[in-house]
Amino acid sequence: EAGVAQSPRYKIIEKRQSVAFWCNPISGHATLYWYQQILGQGPKLLIQFQNNGVVDDSQLPKDRFSAERLKGVDSTLKIQPAKLEDSAVYLCASSPGPAAITDTQYFGPGTRLTVL
Amino acid sequence: AQSVTQLGSHVSVSEGALVLLRCNYSSSVPPYLFWYVQYPNQGLQLLLKYTSAATLVKGINGFEAEFKKSETSFHLTKPSAHMSDAAEYFCAVRSGSARQLTFGSGTQLTVLP
Repeated sequence: EAGVAQSPRYKIIEKRQSVAFWCNPISGHATLYWYQQILGQGPKLLIQFQNNGVVDDSQLPKDRFSAERLKGVDSTLKIQPAKLEDSAVYLCASSPGPAAITDTQYFGPGTRLTVL
Repeated sequence: AQSVTQLGSHVSVSEGALVLLRCNYSSSVPPYLFWYVQYPNQGLQLLLKYTSAATLVKGINGFEAEFKKSETSFHLTKPSAHMSDAAEYFCAVRSGSARQLTFGSGTQLTVLP
């Protein structure tokens, strides 16, 4: 079974530029998550989709971050414009069911973003 | 509200020694608890999870954790460390109606030869 795929793996941009990350979850997984992991911290949830609907985006900085999940499969996360404090690893995860509390989340390898 | 505290951001053990990584949680309702491992430049991988079925949970790679409600703890242990166990370990909690999985800040495990 193929895992969660993410691209690119690394991205370096200057502040005020825009950037987009792509995630392809495990086939058939209904729920998709985007996390931000700042160096030295645990992952923090940015947004959660169930199929193509948003379940939770309470911690997404909506003035600069946006995300979509087209047709309930792939997802993109965009930052526009980027700030220095956005430097982090962006992790995508997916889980099979409708976000049951005990569901295991399967993580992709992440995209490491550096904002100069 | 739910939260997780991992005591010790760095832990070093000798190969063959006991591994003990500490996790304490805070939750107003019965929690579900998870341990994840992250190897360099990789995503997180589930080690084990507590879902109220049994307080002692066995996971992959010889790890186990015990849920202690009275101590609000879910410490991760392994009897004998291997060099391949060197990684960062995250404890996480999910409780009640919270949709979010809340992670601790992680513990970096170093295994010395």
